[in-house]
Amino acid sequence: GAGVSQTPSNKVTEKGKYVELRCDPISGHTALYWYRQSLGQGPEFLIYFQGTGAADDSGLPNDRFFAVRPEGSVSTLKIQRTERGDSAVYLCASSVGQGNEQFFGPGTRLTVL
Amino acid sequence: GQNIDQPTEMTATEGAIVQINCTYQTSGFNGLFWYQQHAGEAPTFLSYNVLDGLEEKGRFSSFLSRSKGYSYLLLKELQMKDSASYLCAVRDRGSNYQLIWGAGTKLIIKP
Repeated sequence: GAGVSQTPSNKVTEKGKYVELRCDPISGHTALYWYRQSLGQGPEFLIYFQGTGAADDSGLPNDRFFAVRPEGSVSTLKIQRTERGDSAVYLCASSVGQGNEQFFGPGTRLTVL
Repeated sequence: GQNIDQPTEMTATEGAIVQINCTYQTSGFNGLFWYQQHAGEAPTFLSYNVLDGLEEKGRFSSFLSRSKGYSYLLLKELQMKDSASYLCAVRDRGSNYQLIWGAGTKLIIKP
């Protein structure tokens, strides 16, 4: 593909609901990152995949957040029992390997009412 | 602790030069990145420094001093399209080599 794609671009949900955010990385990129970004702030690291495995999930704020990458390509970020504080733009990035330039997707804007 | 500091906002004039500073304190340094982010869009890569000195790439240059924990991004011949936020990010050995991001500097270009 031409770049990293994310769906949906916008998601509005109610407090307590479950949401899934999808990321399609650049073909061949083994490293995949999830970040979230609040207005006026830099990206906040959530989780990093190398291939199919979560190599570093130290940024996940609590056990309501979970992410998978079963085939080493597409990744899904899952948020259970959403809270208003989860509202942010969720960014996905991929790179050839860890330490290389990261290419970002357009993000999913999540709003929890 | 980890800390990345950048000015919140800067204003410059079209055609001029502007320098955006970034200071950092991390437990282990393994490279510094600059990204550009237009409002409502994803960050895009501008530059990478791991050794001291100046890296030049067209109108944009980035400088690093590891001993001072300091970097700057220099933008020359400013154009209106350069109005964006500029994010400084440090790769930190103490954080499993993940990027620690600054809050970004919003650059406003005036005619």
